[in-house]
Amino acid sequence: AQSVTQLDSQVPVFEEAPVELRCNYSSSVSVYLFWYVQYPNQGLQLLLKYLSGSTLVKGINGFEAEFNKSQTSFHLRKPSVHISDTAEYFCARNFNFGNEKLTFGTGTRLTIIP
Amino acid sequence: DGGITQSPKYLFRKEGQNVTLSCEQNLNHDAMYWYRQDPGQGLRLIYYSQIVNDFQKGDIAEGYSVSREKKESFPLTVTSAQKNPTAFYLCASSIGLFYEQYFGPGTRLTVT
Repeated sequence: AQSVTQLDSQVPVFEEAPVELRCNYSSSVSVYLFWYVQYPNQGLQLLLKYLSGSTLVKGINGFEAEFNKSQTSFHLRKPSVHISDTAEYFCARNFNFGNEKLTFGTGTRLTIIP
Repeated sequence: DGGITQSPKYLFRKEGQNVTLSCEQNLNHDAMYWYRQDPGQGLRLIYYSQIVNDFQKGDIAEGYSVSREKKESFPLTVTSAQKNPTAFYLCASSIGLFYEQYFGPGTRLTVT
Protein backbone atom coordinates (compact mmCIF):
# COMPACT_ATOMS: atom_id res chain seq x y z
CA ALA A 1 0.00 0.00 0.00
CA GLN A 2 1.16 3.48 -0.83
CA SER A 3 2.45 5.24 2.31
CA VAL A 4 1.97 8.73 0.91
CA THR A 5 -0.63 9.35 -1.79
CA GLN A 6 -0.83 12.39 -3.99
CA LEU A 7 -3.88 11.66 -6.09
CA ASP A 8 -3.42 14.52 -8.54
CA SER A 9 -0.39 14.14 -10.78
CA GLN A 10 -1.10 17.46 -12.52
CA VAL A 11 -3.06 20.51 -11.39
CA PRO A 12 -3.60 23.49 -13.72
CA VAL A 13 -4.72 26.72 -12.03
CA PHE A 14 -5.30 30.24 -13.30
CA GLU A 15 -3.05 32.95 -11.95
CA GLU A 16 -4.39 34.60 -8.76
CA ALA A 17 -6.81 31.71 -8.16
CA PRO A 18 -6.62 29.54 -5.02
CA VAL A 19 -5.11 26.07 -5.12
CA GLU A 20 -5.21 22.94 -3.00
CA LEU A 21 -2.80 20.05 -3.53
CA ARG A 22 -3.95 16.90 -1.85
CA CYS A 23 -1.87 14.53 0.25
CA ASN A 24 -3.03 11.50 2.19
CA TYR A 25 -0.81 9.26 4.26
CA SER A 26 -1.17 5.85 5.80
CA SER A 27 -0.30 5.50 9.47
CA SER A 28 -1.92 4.63 12.76
CA VAL A 29 0.82 6.24 14.83
CA SER A 30 2.25 9.72 15.16
CA VAL A 31 3.88 11.07 12.05
CA TYR A 32 5.92 13.99 10.87
CA LEU A 33 4.69 15.50 7.60
CA PHE A 34 6.42 17.71 5.07
CA TRP A 35 5.81 19.51 1.80
CA TYR A 36 8.65 20.16 -0.60
CA VAL A 37 8.77 22.15 -3.85
CA GLN A 38 10.99 21.33 -6.81
CA TYR A 39 11.61 23.80 -9.62
CA PRO A 40 12.80 22.39 -12.97
CA ASN A 41 16.25 20.79 -12.85
CA GLN A 42 16.76 21.74 -9.22
CA GLY A 43 16.79 20.01 -5.86
CA LEU A 44 13.89 19.96 -3.43
CA GLN A 45 13.21 22.88 -1.10
CA LEU A 46 11.28 22.53 2.15
CA LEU A 47 8.01 24.49 2.06
CA LEU A 48 6.66 23.59 5.49
CA LYS A 49 6.55 20.86 8.10
CA TYR A 50 4.24 19.45 10.74
CA LEU A 51 5.88 17.87 13.76
CA SER A 52 3.31 18.50 16.51
CA GLY A 53 1.12 21.24 17.94
CA SER A 54 -1.12 23.45 15.83
CA THR A 55 -2.69 21.57 12.95
CA LEU A 56 -2.44 24.59 10.65
CA VAL A 57 1.11 25.05 9.48
CA LYS A 58 2.34 28.08 7.58
CA GLY A 59 5.31 27.88 5.26
CA ILE A 60 7.27 29.92 2.79
CA ASN A 61 5.93 31.62 -0.34
CA GLY A 62 2.44 32.03 1.19
CA PHE A 63 1.68 28.31 1.40
CA GLU A 64 -0.02 26.60 4.31
CA ALA A 65 -1.13 23.07 5.12
CA GLU A 66 -3.57 21.53 7.55
CA PHE A 67 -2.91 18.30 9.40
CA ASN A 68 -6.11 16.26 9.72
CA LYS A 69 -5.52 13.16 11.79
CA SER A 70 -9.00 11.67 11.35
CA GLN A 71 -8.76 11.90 7.57
CA THR A 72 -5.00 11.17 7.52
CA SER A 73 -4.51 14.14 5.24
CA PHE A 74 -2.08 17.01 4.93
CA HIS A 75 -3.34 19.14 2.04
CA LEU A 76 -1.33 22.12 0.82
CA ARG A 77 -3.11 25.40 0.06
CA LYS A 78 -2.41 28.85 -1.26
CA PRO A 79 -5.12 31.52 -1.55
CA SER A 80 -3.70 33.17 -4.67
CA VAL A 81 -1.08 31.62 -6.93
CA HIS A 82 1.54 33.30 -9.09
CA ILE A 83 3.34 32.24 -12.24
CA SER A 84 6.42 31.61 -10.10
CA ASP A 85 4.57 28.85 -8.22
CA THR A 86 4.81 26.61 -11.28
CA ALA A 87 6.75 23.61 -9.99
CA GLU A 88 6.43 20.05 -8.73
CA TYR A 89 5.27 19.58 -5.17
CA PHE A 90 6.05 16.57 -3.02
CA CYS A 91 4.39 15.47 0.18
CA ALA A 92 6.49 13.35 2.56
CA ARG A 93 5.95 11.42 5.75
CA ASN A 94 8.26 10.30 8.51
CA PHE A 95 7.94 8.73 11.94
CA ASN A 96 9.49 10.00 15.14
CA PHE A 97 10.80 6.62 16.23
CA GLY A 98 12.60 3.57 14.89
CA ASN A 99 14.63 3.44 11.71
CA GLU A 100 11.99 4.65 9.31
CA LYS A 101 13.10 7.09 6.65
CA LEU A 102 11.31 9.88 4.88
CA THR A 103 8.75 8.51 2.39
CA PHE A 104 7.72 10.69 -0.54
CA GLY A 105 4.58 10.83 -2.60
CA THR A 106 4.87 10.71 -6.39
CA GLY A 107 4.47 14.46 -6.71
CA THR A 108 1.95 16.92 -8.14
CA ARG A 109 2.90 19.17 -11.01
CA LEU A 110 1.32 22.60 -10.51
CA THR A 111 0.95 24.66 -13.67
CA ILE A 112 -0.14 28.27 -13.42
CA ILE A 113 -2.10 29.59 -16.38
CA PRO A 114 -1.65 33.31 -17.09
CA ASP B 1 26.42 30.02 3.59
CA GLY B 2 25.62 26.49 4.68
CA GLY B 3 24.33 24.02 2.19
CA ILE B 4 24.79 20.94 0.06
CA THR B 5 26.79 20.87 -3.13
CA GLN B 6 26.64 18.26 -5.83
CA SER B 7 28.97 18.08 -8.75
CA PRO B 8 28.88 18.00 -11.63
CA LYS B 9 25.43 19.29 -12.64
CA TYR B 10 25.44 17.17 -15.82
CA LEU B 11 27.39 13.97 -16.40
CA PHE B 12 27.68 11.82 -19.49
CA ARG B 13 29.13 8.32 -19.57
CA LYS B 14 29.36 5.37 -21.88
CA GLU B 15 27.63 2.16 -20.94
CA GLY B 16 29.90 -0.17 -18.95
CA GLN B 17 31.78 2.59 -17.13
CA ASN B 18 31.56 3.28 -13.43
CA VAL B 19 30.92 6.88 -12.45
CA THR B 20 31.12 8.67 -9.09
CA LEU B 21 28.80 11.50 -8.10
CA SER B 22 29.99 13.96 -5.49
CA CYS B 23 27.98 15.24 -2.51
CA GLU B 24 29.37 17.61 0.13
CA GLN B 25 27.57 19.35 3.01
CA ASN B 26 28.69 21.98 5.50
CA LEU B 27 25.56 21.87 7.65
CA ASN B 28 27.19 19.63 10.27
CA HIS B 29 24.45 17.05 9.66
CA ASP B 30 24.98 13.47 10.78
CA ALA B 31 22.69 11.81 8.24
CA MET B 32 23.09 11.84 4.46
CA TYR B 33 21.06 10.27 1.67
CA TRP B 34 21.08 9.50 -2.02
CA TYR B 35 17.91 9.46 -4.09
CA ARG B 36 17.15 8.67 -7.67
CA GLN B 37 14.39 10.57 -9.45
CA ASP B 38 12.68 9.34 -12.61
CA PRO B 39 9.70 11.04 -14.26
CA GLY B 40 6.42 10.05 -12.67
CA GLN B 41 8.04 7.97 -9.93
CA GLY B 42 8.91 10.50 -7.28
CA LEU B 43 12.07 9.93 -5.25
CA ARG B 44 13.50 6.53 -4.50
CA LEU B 45 16.08 6.01 -1.78
CA ILE B 46 19.34 4.40 -2.90
CA TYR B 47 21.55 4.54 0.22
CA TYR B 48 21.69 6.45 3.45
CA SER B 49 24.18 7.01 6.22
CA GLN B 50 23.44 7.96 9.81
CA ILE B 51 27.03 8.40 10.86
CA VAL B 52 30.58 8.34 9.54
CA ASN B 53 31.82 4.91 8.42
CA ASP B 54 28.31 3.48 8.43
CA PHE B 55 25.70 3.29 5.67
CA GLN B 56 22.58 1.29 4.85
CA LYS B 57 20.88 0.16 1.67
CA GLY B 58 17.73 1.91 0.64
CA ASP B 59 14.98 0.63 -1.63
CA ILE B 60 17.01 0.44 -4.85
CA ALA B 61 20.66 -0.14 -3.85
CA GLU B 62 21.52 -2.72 -6.52
CA GLY B 63 24.16 -1.43 -8.90
CA TYR B 64 25.23 1.41 -6.60
CA SER B 65 27.89 1.80 -3.91
CA VAL B 66 28.71 4.54 -1.39
CA SER B 67 31.28 5.48 1.22
CA ARG B 68 31.18 7.77 4.24
CA GLU B 69 34.74 8.44 5.33
CA LYS B 70 34.06 12.04 6.38
CA LYS B 71 31.01 13.63 7.94
CA GLU B 72 30.84 16.20 5.15
CA SER B 73 31.07 13.83 2.20
CA PHE B 74 28.91 11.00 0.83
CA PRO B 75 29.93 10.05 -2.73
CA LEU B 76 27.80 7.70 -4.82
CA THR B 77 29.27 5.34 -7.41
CA VAL B 78 27.00 4.15 -10.18
CA THR B 79 28.50 0.88 -11.33
CA SER B 80 28.20 -0.90 -14.66
CA ALA B 81 25.87 -3.36 -12.92
CA GLN B 82 23.13 -0.72 -12.71
CA LYS B 83 20.83 -1.59 -15.62
CA ASN B 84 19.17 1.79 -16.12
CA PRO B 85 21.52 4.43 -14.72
CA THR B 86 20.21 7.43 -16.66
CA ALA B 87 18.35 9.55 -14.09
CA PHE B 88 18.44 12.65 -11.92
CA TYR B 89 20.34 11.98 -8.67
CA LEU B 90 19.70 13.96 -5.52
CA CYS B 91 21.76 14.08 -2.37
CA ALA B 92 20.28 15.21 0.95
CA SER B 93 21.25 15.58 4.58
CA SER B 94 19.50 15.94 7.92
CA ILE B 95 20.29 16.29 11.61
CA GLY B 96 18.93 12.79 12.13
CA LEU B 97 16.66 10.23 10.50
CA PHE B 98 13.43 11.73 11.85
CA TYR B 99 13.98 15.29 10.72
CA GLU B 100 13.52 17.31 7.58
CA GLN B 101 16.05 16.73 4.85
CA TYR B 102 17.89 19.41 2.93
CA PHE B 103 18.66 18.74 -0.69
CA GLY B 104 21.46 19.54 -3.07
CA PRO B 105 20.85 20.84 -6.61
CA GLY B 106 21.13 17.37 -8.17
CA THR B 107 23.23 15.68 -10.86
CA ARG B 108 21.68 14.58 -14.13
CA LEU B 109 23.46 11.44 -15.34
CA THR B 110 23.09 10.27 -18.91
CA VAL B 111 24.53 6.92 -19.94
CA THR B 112 24.59 5.95 -23.60
